[in-house]
Amino acid sequence: NAGVTQTPKFQVLKTGQSMTLQCAQDMNHNSMYWYRQDPGMGLRLIYYSASEGTTDKGEVPNGYNVSRLNKREFSLRLESAAPSQTSVYFCASSPGGQGTDTQYFGPGTRLTVL
Amino acid sequence: GNSVTQMEGPVTLSEEAFLTINCTYTATGYPSLFWYVQYPGEGLQLLLKATKADDKGSNKGFEATYRKETTSFHLEKGSVQVSDSAVYFCALTGAGNKLTFGGGTRVLVKP
Repeated sequence: NAGVTQTPKFQVLKTGQSMTLQCAQDMNHNSMYWYRQDPGMGLRLIYYSASEGTTDKGEVPNGYNVSRLNKREFSLRLESAAPSQTSVYFCASSPGGQGTDTQYFGPGTRLTVL
Repeated sequence: GNSVTQMEGPVTLSEEAFLTINCTYTATGYPSLFWYVQYPGEGLQLLLKATKADDKGSNKGFEATYRKETTSFHLEKGSVQVSDSAVYFCALTGAGNKLTFGGGTRVLVKP
C-alpha cells in the first residue's frame, strides 16, 4: 500500500516549457487535491477534484490545468512555465468531501523554472 | 474568507523542553481543525485533529484543544525530543473539505 505517489521528484524547466506532474493514490479515495508550497505561505490549493469526473479551481489556479484521469490518478499541467511557478507541489487525497476527513499527502515535486 | 494565523519560527528548544505553537483562525460556520507535520524532505502527515468545539486532539504526546470562544487551536507537547524537529502547520477545512493552512512554524530541538 503505497498511499499517494508523485512523479517526478525534481524538475527544472526553462520559461515557456510545459510539463505534467503525475499523482496516483491506491486508497480508493474519492477526492484529490493539488497544492503548492512556498516559503512562509503554507500550502495553497491550486485545484481539486471532489470525485471522479469533476474538477474545481482552488485559491491559485492561474497558469495550471488538471485532469482527473480516473479514480486513482490526478495530473497537474503547466502549459507555459513561468519563474513564479517555482515551488514545491504536493498532491493529496481524502476519502470524500467531508470536512472532518483527513487528507493524505504525497512526497512532493520540487519544480524550478529558470 | 477562511484564514489561519500561526506563530512564525523558527522555534529553537532544548530536548525535554515544553513546546507551544499558537494558532488562531477566522472561519464561517463550524470548521474542523488540524495540525499537520512535515519532517525534512517529506510530505505532510496528520498529527492530530478536532472536529467540534472543546474537542481535544492528541497524538505522539502532542495535544491541542478546539477553543471556539477564542478561535484558537494551540499545539502543546510537554517534553520534546530531537525527533520532533519539523515544520508544523495549523489548518482548517471549509466547504468541500478544502484545507486552509497557516504559514507553518519550524521547530528545531537541540540535544
